[in-house]
Amino acid sequence: QLQLQQSGPGLVKPSQTLSLTCVISGGRVSSNSATWTWIRQSPSRGLEWLGWAYYRSRWDTDYAVSMKSRITITPDTSKNQFSLHLTSVTPEDTAVYYCGRLMSEPVPWGSNYYHYIDVWGSGTTVTVSS
Amino acid sequence: VLTQSPGTLSLSPGETATLSCRASQTLSSSYLAWYQQKPGQAPRLLIYGASTRATGIPDRFSGSGSGTDFTLTINRLEPEDFAVYYCGQYGSSLLAFGGGTRLEIK
Repeated sequence: QLQLQQSGPGLVKPSQTLSLTCVISGGRVSSNSATWTWIRQSPSRGLEWLGWAYYRSRWDTDYAVSMKSRITITPDTSKNQFSLHLTSVTPEDTAVYYCGRLMSEPVPWGSNYYHYIDVWGSGTTVTVSS
Repeated sequence: VLTQSPGTLSLSPGETATLSCRASQTLSSSYLAWYQQKPGQAPRLLIYGASTRATGIPDRFSGSGSGTDFTLTINRLEPEDFAVYYCGQYGSSLLAFGGGTRLEIK
C-alpha cells in the first residue's frame, strides 16, 4: 500500500520560496506508471493543479500555465521523494498543499489509458505572511 | 473547464443523490474521475474512467456519462456520504477540477 508523507514549513514570508517534500513509501518514485503531482486548495481557488513530474525512460515535468515561471518539481531517487519549490510567494499562495500519485492504467479494451489520483498526501497548510 | 451542479445538495439519509459534472469540451470518459472530500481530509478517489469504482468503494456509488456530461449517483445515502464531491479531468499536460458539490444532511 503506497503512502505519501508530506513535510515542510507552515509559514512562509512574502517573496520567499515555498518548499515542500513528499516522501514515498511502498512504491518507487521512478515508477513508469506513476506521475507525481502537487495540488493546492484554497477557498478562493478550490482544487488547483500545480504540476507534476514523471519518469518514462527519462524525467519530465509539466506545470500549470499560471505557475510556470515560479514552480519547480524535483524528484530525488536516492531518497524516494519529490519536492515542490514555489518562488516569490504572495498571500495568494496561502493554501493547503497536497502531493499525490496520478496513476496511468491501460483501459482493458482499446488503446486508451485511465488517469486518476489514487493516493494523496495528508496535506500541508501553508500560510504566506510576514 | 469542469462545471459541477448543484453547488449544494440537501438530502436525507436513504435518499438518492445525483451530482452533475459538465465539461466545456468533449473529453474521453477514461480521463474523468470523481473524488470525495470530508472536512480536514485529503480528497479520496471514488470513481475513475467515469464509471469504474475505485478499490473499496461501495456499490451504492456509481458514475456514468460521456462526451461533456457526467454524473455521480449515490444510492441509499449513508451518514458518512455527506461530504464535498469533485470531478477531475486529466488532459494533455494538465489536470483540472470542478468547483465541487457539497452534499449536506437535510
